[in-house]
Amino acid sequence: RKEVEQDPGPFNVPEGATVAFNCTYSNSASQSFFWYRQDCRKEPKLLMSVYSSGNEDGRFTAQLNRASQYISLLIRDSKLSDSATYLCVVDVGNTGKLIFGQGTTLQVKP
Amino acid sequence: EAGVVQSPRYKIIEKKQPVAFWCNPISGHNTLYWYLQNLGQGPELLIRYENEEAVDDSQLPKDRFSAERLKGVDSTLKIQPAELGDSAVYLCASSYHGGGQNTGELFFGEGSRLTVL
Repeated sequence: RKEVEQDPGPFNVPEGATVAFNCTYSNSASQSFFWYRQDCRKEPKLLMSVYSSGNEDGRFTAQLNRASQYISLLIRDSKLSDSATYLCVVDVGNTGKLIFGQGTTLQVKP
Repeated sequence: EAGVVQSPRYKIIEKKQPVAFWCNPISGHNTLYWYLQNLGQGPELLIRYENEEAVDDSQLPKDRFSAERLKGVDSTLKIQPAELGDSAVYLCASSYHGGGQNTGELFFGEGSRLTVL
């Protein structure tokens, strides 16, 4: 089993839609979780951290479910500019070892 | 402030040839990572340094890959000899990790795209 797993998609949605991605992790000792965004042929960049209580940044909401060992990212009112690959990242066992999931590709269409 | 700098951006070599990639992290960042990314996949960790110490190299194929981070600043990743399957983007990232806190914010360079023919 991979340490971090994501559905690669692609998710094709119309502008204005709400879309959600999930990510599961295998190491229950992991404490820190993040979502990164990667545009085509560019380097990954931090989108947001995921806190235990859940957190929101504008149209983006991240949540953590420790019991089921998954994190989620919700994007409301999708924009064309949201088209990218979203990478789930876990600090495995809280060791500073940051492991990336495969990434989920989002394509927002007019 | 300068970001993470990597070179070369692109490299095309024939199989069995050696190749080296260089990375200069953001000033003050004590942790440096080398990742490999294949098309359609997420970055895969090769090696992680804290200062000059390789704290995690379990994913580095040591028969042909080597890395060093002399003086705890810039780093080189070498492949010798290269194989066809090594074609990928090699990403370097840096962060500050200390005090038990991990912000999780890695700053990546633009990557070095390797093509092995």
